[in-house]
Amino acid sequence: AQSVTQPDIHITVSEGASLELRCNYSYGATPYLFWYVQSPGQGLQLLLKYFSGDTLVQGIKGFEAEFKRSQSSFNLRKPSVHWSDAAEYFCAVGFANAGGTSYGKLTFGQGTILTVHP
Amino acid sequence: NAGVTQTPKFQVLKTGQSMTLQCAQDMNHEYMSWYRQDPGMGLRLIHYSVGAGITDQGEVPNGYNVSRSTTEDFPLRLLSAAPSQTSVYFCASRRTASGNTIYFGEGSWLTVV
Repeated sequence: AQSVTQPDIHITVSEGASLELRCNYSYGATPYLFWYVQSPGQGLQLLLKYFSGDTLVQGIKGFEAEFKRSQSSFNLRKPSVHWSDAAEYFCAVGFANAGGTSYGKLTFGQGTILTVHP
Repeated sequence: NAGVTQTPKFQVLKTGQSMTLQCAQDMNHEYMSWYRQDPGMGLRLIHYSVGAGITDQGEVPNGYNVSRSTTEDFPLRLLSAAPSQTSVYFCASRRTASGNTIYFGEGSWLTVV
């Protein structure tokens, strides 16, 4: 079965510093990859997704992520963090069958809580 | 745009009670699913449906029941609530064609005492 690992439970950065959140997955097939952000008491918002093509993906709010097949990773980055980026971030992986339906069954990582210091 | 609507947003149940979490989407999405979110465990798939009349189990289906009588609605039933079902529940939907984004509801906070 596929699995997703976010090695960092909690990360603290200063405002204006760069950020990298790690995500590793395990599965034999080519995955569909997602990053979601969740503010306290809120639902999930999609930051970006990778299906195919260019392995560097741009998302909303200045985030980007790079798919590295050799490392089974999809790390999320932002060059300069803002205080409003404080939230919990989830990496998710899905895999499509021939009919393109199974990737709706996402497997989520445990989440990384981001704290931003002024 | 309503998107994915979940009700209720908050609910407190006593052990042994039953209840239904409602989920409705107005985007004509074929695929709908329910996840539960627990601290340190991310979101885990409970049940999913690829169309009206078709449902299947996810990773943690025990204690939950679903049905899909219409494309729009995908209710999640707790048959006999247990404290272990205290969680935040998210409904999600998407078109089944590859490449389509998954849309999540805002969540339902359930406490079982």
